[in-house]
Amino acid sequence: NAGVTQTPKFRVLKTGQSMTLLCAQDMNHEYMYWYRQDPGMGLRLIHYSVGEGTTAKGEVPDGYNVSRLKKQNFLLGLESAAPSQTSVYFCASTNSGRAMESFFGPGTRLTVL
Amino acid sequence: AQSVTQPDIHITVSEGASLELRCNYSYGATPYLFWYVQSPGQGLQLLLKYFSGDTLVQGIKGFEAEFKRSQSSFNLRKPSVHWSDAAEYFCAVNQAGTALIFGKGTTLSVSS
Repeated sequence: NAGVTQTPKFRVLKTGQSMTLLCAQDMNHEYMYWYRQDPGMGLRLIHYSVGEGTTAKGEVPDGYNVSRLKKQNFLLGLESAAPSQTSVYFCASTNSGRAMESFFGPGTRLTVL
Repeated sequence: AQSVTQPDIHITVSEGASLELRCNYSYGATPYLFWYVQSPGQGLQLLLKYFSGDTLVQGIKGFEAEFKRSQSSFNLRKPSVHWSDAAEYFCAVNQAGTALIFGKGTTLSVSS
């Protein structure tokens, strides 16, 4: 049982390049999330999904797209990376219900030059 | 809109001393509240959560938190801090059953 895994762990991009971050969970959770963490800002929600085939915008969705084609996977895409997207990205998953614990992946550190 | 405030950006506590980290929330309905800890370079781990019942909740690693509706607070406490508790601590509220809304975090340093 690996929990929540993220690929890759580190990445350096040049401005304008594109990439996809992969999140996978093996707990059969319905909900999945992408957050970004920046110094002094806490974690801010980018996009989330409440089930396979569904996605919704969070607090800071601009410049990102997501897809949830399979229940266990949640992809975060950057079509044209910008230096402002330099951050640590965390994926999380949970079962439905407000009291349910969210499980977090180890994070992806992205630098955009 | 829901929000979470952690007034202290950085706290230093001597090893063996008690600890209290503050958290205030803004939420119209019954809040579902969480404390998470993040060790350097790591993901987030749940310490404890509150959603109903006894307002004093116990968590892992000897932590506890008290929910006070009148003060809109959910402060985290530990009676005796260990050097391994040095980390960043996040308070969060569940937003309408969809996603967690986090505070900006409190960094805890432990001095010997």
